[in-house]
Amino acid sequence: QQQVKQSPQSLIVQKGGISIINCAYENTAFDYFPWYQQFPGKGPALLIAIRPDVSEKKEGRFTISFNKSAKQFSLHIMDSQPGDSATYFCAASKSSNTGKLIFGQGTTLQVKP
Amino acid sequence: DTAVSQTPKYLVTQMGNDKSIKCEQNLGHDTMYWYKQDSKKFLKIMFSYNNKELIINETVPNRFSPKSPDKAHLNLHINSLELGDSAVYFCASSRNRVNTEAFFGQGTRLTVV
Repeated sequence: QQQVKQSPQSLIVQKGGISIINCAYENTAFDYFPWYQQFPGKGPALLIAIRPDVSEKKEGRFTISFNKSAKQFSLHIMDSQPGDSATYFCAASKSSNTGKLIFGQGTTLQVKP
Repeated sequence: DTAVSQTPKYLVTQMGNDKSIKCEQNLGHDTMYWYKQDSKKFLKIMFSYNNKELIINETVPNRFSPKSPDKAHLNLHINSLELGDSAVYFCASSRNRVNTEAFFGQGTRLTVV
């Protein structure tokens, strides 16, 4: 049972374009939704995170949009750069629980120069 | 100054052997985790310790045994290695079991031949 579903599996974007990755979750008890960025040979690194009390959070070129009623959230990367080429994971957790993160399947992003 | 460090980075071993992966964090966090990333890059939690106490034990074969000698260290011992154990294993830590902002190590790529 996949509690967090992520799409697309892979994405190719031209430099300067907008990259959009979507996630949907099932468990309404989730209250923390982070996005992680992973480069080859490295561990996942926290990029940006949101809690359900806000619908949008922006940090630099990265924005999370959150739709609580639809149980969906997405990552938007504005002005995508070749250095953004990596695998992106959405995740969800219940902060009152054990700290366990449930990850989506990952999206491999390639930004073409 | 690495926040979460794992050793070794690569581990190649034969089926049936026993091996250990070590993890140390210098962030002063209370909670540590082991995640497994399979060949399709899917990340799944295996174990979590909070102040040396086991709090998460997912459906993992009991050939896998975590050990936490103190809250800064979480090691993973694997007995009777099988081909299917080949994966990248990530250690992570978070401030506590409620604060789920997790910091990951660089990973240990385990190859069983």
